[in-house]
Amino acid sequence: DAGITQSPRYKITETGRQVTLMCHQTWSHSYMFWYRQDLGHGLRLIYYSAAADITDKGEVPDGYVVSRSKTENFPLTLESATRSQTSVYFCASRGLRTNTEAFFGQGTRLTVV
Amino acid sequence: AQKVTQAQTEISVVEKEDVTLDCVYETRDTTYYLFWYKQPPSGELVFLIRRNSFDEQNEISGRYSWNFQKSTSSFNFTITASQVVDSAVYFCALSEAAPNTGNQFYFGTGTSLTVIP
Repeated sequence: DAGITQSPRYKITETGRQVTLMCHQTWSHSYMFWYRQDLGHGLRLIYYSAAADITDKGEVPDGYVVSRSKTENFPLTLESATRSQTSVYFCASRGLRTNTEAFFGQGTRLTVV
Repeated sequence: AQKVTQAQTEISVVEKEDVTLDCVYETRDTTYYLFWYKQPPSGELVFLIRRNSFDEQNEISGRYSWNFQKSTSSFNFTITASQVVDSAVYFCALSEAAPNTGNQFYFGTGTSLTVIP
């Protein structure tokens, strides 16, 4: 299917565990992003990637790791999950041109207990 | 520094009323882009409109209209004759053309709109 997909849609994990959220896009967009959505904060950028093997920190990167070995995949890993990382996570992709919209995945609701 | 401000956290209107969602932005770029996204209760983010900094024409699309004013750094969104299906969280976002911005979006904190039948 064309588009951008995230998996899993829902995840419950325990404090201290490592968890990876997956993101896959089929458009060959150069840019990919991970945002977290929390009440009162809107969407905050965690990490972004301009191309395969090029990643950079966003506003709230602490506790997260990303990689991008292939253009279409951009996984987000919580190395040691904390309760403050309970959130809804959105992956997005965008083409090279800055005047284009970003396309978002369906979101992953992560609960850390 | 926050670049997009949506001062209205929650708005409730009765069906068929008009409602305006405010968005104020801040940027030093002369070239930038503004967006509105809708997030219905199902949770996905739906793109509504894009406007570039060179185009201050207002836009109307059905019951939706957008008022972009560079003089006040605002990009407001009006829904005319609101309907229950308009109930959602609406996000305003800014993207700058500068090469060191990573092509990222800066989002406001969102306005939650409830349309009461």
